[in-house]
Amino acid sequence: KNEVEQSPQNLTAQEGEFITINCSYSVGISALHWLQQHPGGGIVSLFMLSSGKKKHGRLIATINIQEKHSSLHITASHPRDSAVYICAVFLDSNYQLIWGAGTKLIIKP
Amino acid sequence: ETGVTQSPTHLIKTRGQQVTLRCSSQSGHNTVSWYQQALGQGPQFIFQYYREEENGRGNFPPRFSGLQFPNYSSELNVNALELDDSALYLCASSPTYGLAQETQYFGPGTRLLVL
Repeated sequence: KNEVEQSPQNLTAQEGEFITINCSYSVGISALHWLQQHPGGGIVSLFMLSSGKKKHGRLIATINIQEKHSSLHITASHPRDSAVYICAVFLDSNYQLIWGAGTKLIIKP
Repeated sequence: ETGVTQSPTHLIKTRGQQVTLRCSSQSGHNTVSWYQQALGQGPQFIFQYYREEENGRGNFPPRFSGLQFPNYSSELNVNALELDDSALYLCASSPTYGLAQETQYFGPGTRLLVL
C-alpha cells in the first residue's frame, strides 16, 4: 500500500463544475502539500497545509490530521485548470517529501 | 515565476554514460532537493542539500550523487546510466533547512532519455 493515496486517478468534467480531489496518507506528517503539474513537467506549488483550510482564488484545500485526509477543491472549473494535481506529505521523521501518484484532471469547455 | 532554473531542458545519453544536470536556486534559498519523475508516476525524492552538505537521501544508488555550491546552485550527477534512468529530473529550492514548513519552488525540469 502506498503511503500517499490519491483519488480519483483521472477526472474529466465540464467547465463550471465543482471539482474535488482527495488525498489520504498513512504516515505521520508535519505538513501536506498540494501541487499542480502542467503537461511538459512544470510544477507549481498551490498550498502547504498543516491544519484546517486554505483558500486561494477558486482553489480550496482542507486537511483533517486525525483522519489523515486532505481534499483539494476547485470551484467554477475552467479548461485552463486541466493538469495533474499532486498531493505530497512531509514526513515528521525526516525531511523527505512523499508524493502521491497524482490526479489527472481534464476540464472540457 | 519561481526563479528556479535548470539546464539542460532535454538530454539524450546512451547506457553507461555519465550525466550532469544543473539547477540554479531561487535567490535567498539555501536548500535544494532533487526528484526523479518517471513517465506516468509521481516524483521520487533523490536527495537534499543544505549549505553544501547532503541532508537527506531517498532510495537511490550511490551512482546518483550531487553537489551544492557556495552560491547554492546545485548539480545532480548520474554515473553508469541505465535505461530506467530515463525520466524528468526536477530540482526544487526552499529558503530553510528541512522543508517541513516551507514551500518548495520547482524548476521546469530536465528530461533525460537514455538509449
